[in-house]
Amino acid sequence: GQQVMQIPQYQHVQEGEDFTTYCNSSTTLSNIQWYKQRPGGHPVFLIQLVKSGEVKKQKRLTFQFGEAKKNSSLHITATQTTDVGTYFCAGHSGYALNFGKGTSLLVTP
Amino acid sequence: DGGITQSPKYLFRKEGQNVTLSCEQNLNHDAMYWYRQDPGQGLRLIYYSQIVNDFQKGDIAEGYSVSREKKESFPLTVTSAQKNPTAFYLCASSQTGAGSDYQPQHFGDGTRLSIL
Repeated sequence: GQQVMQIPQYQHVQEGEDFTTYCNSSTTLSNIQWYKQRPGGHPVFLIQLVKSGEVKKQKRLTFQFGEAKKNSSLHITATQTTDVGTYFCAGHSGYALNFGKGTSLLVTP
Repeated sequence: DGGITQSPKYLFRKEGQNVTLSCEQNLNHDAMYWYRQDPGQGLRLIYYSQIVNDFQKGDIAEGYSVSREKKESFPLTVTSAQKNPTAFYLCASSQTGAGSDYQPQHFGDGTRLSIL
């Protein structure tokens, strides 16, 4: 079945540094969704990308969907301590959503 | 406020015991899902339901059972056949969409299940 791989598994940055997490699929994705889970919390939907080569921005967060619709990335500019958490990408396989294992971000003040 | 309510927040299971985790949503969503999350792991799909009285197995359905008798409710039973049930269980719901119009999933606060 569809595999969604995410790297890196962990990232530790100083506040103000940039951060990027990458998501790769073994098959072409119809869409990609990104979620954020704060420590001790539940995943919260951030954004969905559908079109090949699509780029969307939410303040300091930039999301990209690859031209071949097999990869995606999330880039955070000038991280803040509020960015701490685990970021998951997920792609649909039929009605089911396949999640990557996530990238845990730690931001040190 | 609309949302998803999971209960209990913490649950302890004895050996050989079945336990049921509750999930209720008032978002009027058609689809509901159960995920299992282990430390350092992503979310793995246990069961999902697109409509009342219908549900499908996910990747790790063995040792679990569900029912969908009402649109707003999707309880999960962890049976004694599940030999390693200690995990964080998340319930989610979404509207159903056709084609590429997939809707985001909304999650409850989760239930932490432990073995006594």
